[in-house]
Amino acid sequence: QLQLQESGPGLVKPSETLSLTCTVSGGSISSTNYYWDWIRQPPGKGLEWIGSLYYSRGTYYNPSLKSRVAISVDTSKNQISLKLRSVTAADTAVYYCAGEFLGVYATTYWGLGTLVTVSS
Amino acid sequence: QSALTQPRSVSGSPGQSVTISCTGTSSDVGAYNYVSWYQQHPGKAPKLMIYDVSKRPSGVPDRFSGSKSGNTASLTISGLQAEDEADYYCCSYAGSYTWLFGGGTKVTVL
Repeated sequence: QLQLQESGPGLVKPSETLSLTCTVSGGSISSTNYYWDWIRQPPGKGLEWIGSLYYSRGTYYNPSLKSRVAISVDTSKNQISLKLRSVTAADTAVYYCAGEFLGVYATTYWGLGTLVTVSS
Repeated sequence: QSALTQPRSVSGSPGQSVTISCTGTSSDVGAYNYVSWYQQHPGKAPKLMIYDVSKRPSGVPDRFSGSKSGNTASLTISGLQAEDEADYYCCSYAGSYTWLFGGGTKVTVL
């Protein structure tokens, strides 16, 4: 089964770019059998879908974040990356990467999440 | 796109049933049978409990059930147990490969 692990800086300064990596095991990033998500959760608040990557179809983003976010893959490392530009304190959250089989409209496989704090 | 609407909290005694509602619009919950529900204990990643409105993944107790009517989906926990105390989130497909989550509901076992 899929296993996912997020990694990256836990502290980012305001106006800078948040960069996270998700390492996947148990399945190939480049397989058309899966799609991959980034989801975040501000402290004490609810979940927010950031975006999804379908290797054969492209990437899709939350309209509220679309102008600042980019999701990409590194097939040589079997990793998915997230970049969020021009961050503010409102972007402080636990960031989860997640994966699912294509055709399943839900998310079964989640990483443990990583807390990113935006502060000077 | 606005978040789906859930009650902030619900509570029940052990053995009772509780129902959590999730209200969207005709563009999301009402348009697709792709509503899922997640359970989240403090400090943990969410866990899928229901998908496609009413299907249970392997390993999820049959005390958990889902349904939908119009623009509102519901999660019912029957025979409430202490370990069911957690936050629950609904999620709906909203078309064009986009997703919406609800604000979350805290379930308290009295």
